[in-house]
Amino acid sequence: GQQVMQIPQYQHVQEGEDFTTYCNSSTTLSNIQWYKQRPGGHPVFLIQLVKSGEVKKQKRLTFQFGEAKKNSSLHITATQTTDVGTYFCAGRGGNQFYFGTGTSLTVIP
Amino acid sequence: DAGITQSPRHKVTETGTPVTLRCHQTENHRYMYWYRQDPGHGLRLIHYSYGVKDTDKGEVSDGYSVSRSKTEDFLLTLESATSSQTSVYFCATLGGPNEKLFFGSGTQLSVL
Repeated sequence: GQQVMQIPQYQHVQEGEDFTTYCNSSTTLSNIQWYKQRPGGHPVFLIQLVKSGEVKKQKRLTFQFGEAKKNSSLHITATQTTDVGTYFCAGRGGNQFYFGTGTSLTVIP
Repeated sequence: DAGITQSPRHKVTETGTPVTLRCHQTENHRYMYWYRQDPGHGLRLIHYSYGVKDTDKGEVSDGYSVSRSKTEDFLLTLESATSSQTSVYFCATLGGPNEKLFFGSGTQLSVL
């Protein structure tokens, strides 16, 4: 079946440092979505990427979709304590979503 | 956010007992999903529904069944709970611009 791998599994950064998480799929994706889950919370939608090579920004967050539509990344510039949580990518196949294993981000003040 | 309510929020049960988790939505979304979340595994799809009485299996469906008799309700049943089914269970619906997933607050299930 479809597999979506995500690295790293954990990342600890000092506040103000940058952070990147990478997502790779075994198959070509029609689109990819990113979600954030705060500790003790539920996943919340951040963004969707659809086009090959697409880049989208949300304030300090930059999302990229690879040219082959098999990989994606999320980059956070100058992390803040409010960025703490687990970030998941989710590749869409039909009406099913295949989630990566997530990257848990800890920001040290 | 979509109105998605999961019940119960927490449950402790014994091995071998049946358990039913409920998901209720007020958004009239057609697609509903049940995921389980375990450390190191992310979110794994158990079952999903694409309409009333229309359901299909996900990647980890063994030991689980679902039912959807009304658009707003999606039930997940563990026929005979096992310790390996100790997990956090999330219900989600699909909707909105971007066709994104809206998640409920989750159910923490412990099988002793």
